[in-house]
Amino acid sequence: KAGVTQTPRYLIKTRGQQVTLSCSPISGHRSVSWYQQTPGQGLQFLFEYFSETQRNKGNFPGRFSGRQFSNSRSEMNVSTLELGDSALYLCASSLEDSQETQYFGPGTRLLVL
Amino acid sequence: QKEVEQNSGPLSVPEGAIASLNCTYSDRGSQSFFWYRQYSGKSPELIMSIYSNGDKEDGRFTAQLNKASQYVSLLIRDSQPSDSATYLCAVQGGKLIFGQGTELSVKP
Repeated sequence: KAGVTQTPRYLIKTRGQQVTLSCSPISGHRSVSWYQQTPGQGLQFLFEYFSETQRNKGNFPGRFSGRQFSNSRSEMNVSTLELGDSALYLCASSLEDSQETQYFGPGTRLLVL
Repeated sequence: QKEVEQNSGPLSVPEGAIASLNCTYSDRGSQSFFWYRQYSGKSPELIMSIYSNGDKEDGRFTAQLNKASQYVSLLIRDSQPSDSATYLCAVQGGKLIFGQGTELSVKP
């Protein structure tokens, strides 16, 4: 089975721009979670989607949003980028429930200048 | 108090020794516990999951869970240089909460 895929792998943006990241879960997995990883804050939960619905949300501002499509693929969007948004954004998928084992994609490294 | 705390690193052990990684969590309702390994520049990969009190062994890795003490640990026996990585403890309540990670260095 193919693993979790994320595109793009690397992005450079400037402050004020917006960005959309994409995640394709493992085939058959219906739950997709997004995380932000920075050296200072570690891995922080952004949100989880299941059946096209946001099931859980972390403590991030409204500039961070996401959605899930009927094929379980997910996108996250960050609007009005700030320098502090520079991070590795990780997507993880699990079968039905984020209580189960989550498998991570390779991540998208975002640099905001 | 952080929700998930790991012993601060870096932890350095000689090749062949036992590496012990510890993690405490604050949510008594947590049900699922995971250890992930993350190599520099890579994404986390699952090593072990544990759901009930006691020990769970998988090859050179043993996870230990004590829900009464809100404590979970990972032992790595016969440590190898290839085990050098950051180890992340993750605790699942309503969402998956990660500790800050412990950097392990195994010296040949």
